[in-house]
Amino acid sequence: DAKTTQPPSMDCAEGRAANLPCNHSTISGNEYVYWYRQIHSQGPQYIIHGLKNNETNEMASLIITEDRKSSTLILPHATLRDTAVYYCIVKTSGTYKYIFGTGTRLKVLA
Amino acid sequence: DTEVTQTPKHLVMGMTNKKSLKCEQHMGHRAMYWYKQKAKKPPELMFVYSYEKLSINESVPSRFSPECPNSSLLNLHLHALQPEDSALYLCASGGSSYNEQFFGPGTRLTVL
Repeated sequence: DAKTTQPPSMDCAEGRAANLPCNHSTISGNEYVYWYRQIHSQGPQYIIHGLKNNETNEMASLIITEDRKSSTLILPHATLRDTAVYYCIVKTSGTYKYIFGTGTRLKVLA
Repeated sequence: DTEVTQTPKHLVMGMTNKKSLKCEQHMGHRAMYWYKQKAKKPPELMFVYSYEKLSINESVPSRFSPECPNSSLLNLHLHALQPEDSALYLCASGGSSYNEQFFGPGTRLTVL
């Protein structure tokens, strides 16, 4: 079973920050948080991952709470092309088993 | 080359047919995956190959038969499928340790 829960859908105005929450209250110490997104009918695309520190790359920022039980993916300036389903995944380091949760369908509005 | 390729893009087959899906990557990844995705659902893990050996089989029916001929190629052989097997089949590579997975565009399979 998936170890994450996410809101089923969110809207965001174009140009504004999109903040996508994820709950992973049963996360273990050696489990990483990964974010992927899937634009309609394409393969999922990696966005970012982290263990306990906040992470930033050219696509997004990942904020992980101190107790590691939840995280937020931030798209700083959402565009229409960011409309997609965003998946938060918890995976043990060194293993291959990715279990996708139900994801959040983000719609960026013009 | 950071691409995973999958062929064919679309496949229509009858329940008595035998067909194969192909996946290829040249990133040197030693782990390769098959996922199945039904409409409006998340991808479901089917199989994982690590160093060309089957590492994970998520209790997939035997009418799906994976094969990893070498470190760059992954096949999924299909036989006697049911209409409910119609789905998008995704291949991915990478993902071991803390590294990310790279997904192909998928094969959309329709079973008549």
